Amino acid sequence: NAGVMQNPRHLVRRRGQEARLRCSPMKGHSHVYWYRQLPEEGLKFMVYLQKENIIDESGMPKERFSAEFPKEGPSILRIQQVVRGDSAAYFCASSPGMLKETQYFGPGTRLLVL
Amino acid sequence: RKEVEQDPGPFNVPEGATVAFNCTYSNSASQSFFWYRQDCRKEPKLLMSVYSSGNEDGRFTAQLNRASQYISLLIRDSKLSDSATYLCVVNIVTSNTGKLIFGQGTTLQVKP
Repeated sequence: NAGVMQNPRHLVRRRGQEARLRCSPMKGHSHVYWYRQLPEEGLKFMVYLQKENIIDESGMPKERFSAEFPKEGPSILRIQQVVRGDSAAYFCASSPGMLKETQYFGPGTRLLVL
Repeated sequence: RKEVEQDPGPFNVPEGATVAFNCTYSNSASQSFFWYRQDCRKEPKLLMSVYSSGNEDGRFTAQLNRASQYISLLIRDSKLSDSATYLCVVNIVTSNTGKLIFGQGTTLQVKP
């Protein structure tokens, strides 16, 4: 049973470009969470999605960031017009369904904005 | 005030030492509690869940005090491989959402 998959593992973008981060949850998991870890800081919740629904996006910046989890395919975290401050590790986690279930993390995508 | 606060690190201890980490949380909606381990800023890995009755897993013991909103982790007989950052994590659950809130992390360095 494969774990949570994320790709790419490393992504380099220039200021103003778009970044697309993908997350495939563990088999049987229908809940996906995105977290961001800025350099020298702890992980911060960004967004919680179920298939085709955004449940909680209270941690998402209001502009340039969006997330989706379509019926088919991976969850996508999209960052438009990236800035240097977006450089961070972005971790995806998944859980089977119940809100109290343990979340399992993917290896993360390291985004570097030049 | 941060929602989850941990001891400032780093902790530098010799092999075989016993080390304790403390954590406090502020949100009364916190419903479940965990210690995760993070190595070299890789993905966090679940170390153990934390219960009010206390729970033990080998050399690791975790304790939760809901009244004081306090969580602890005790590591006995430290190994070199225990060197990592330990993250205190609470799960905030409301009627329609749940999310993990992470502490800053405490770095442990076990030396030979």
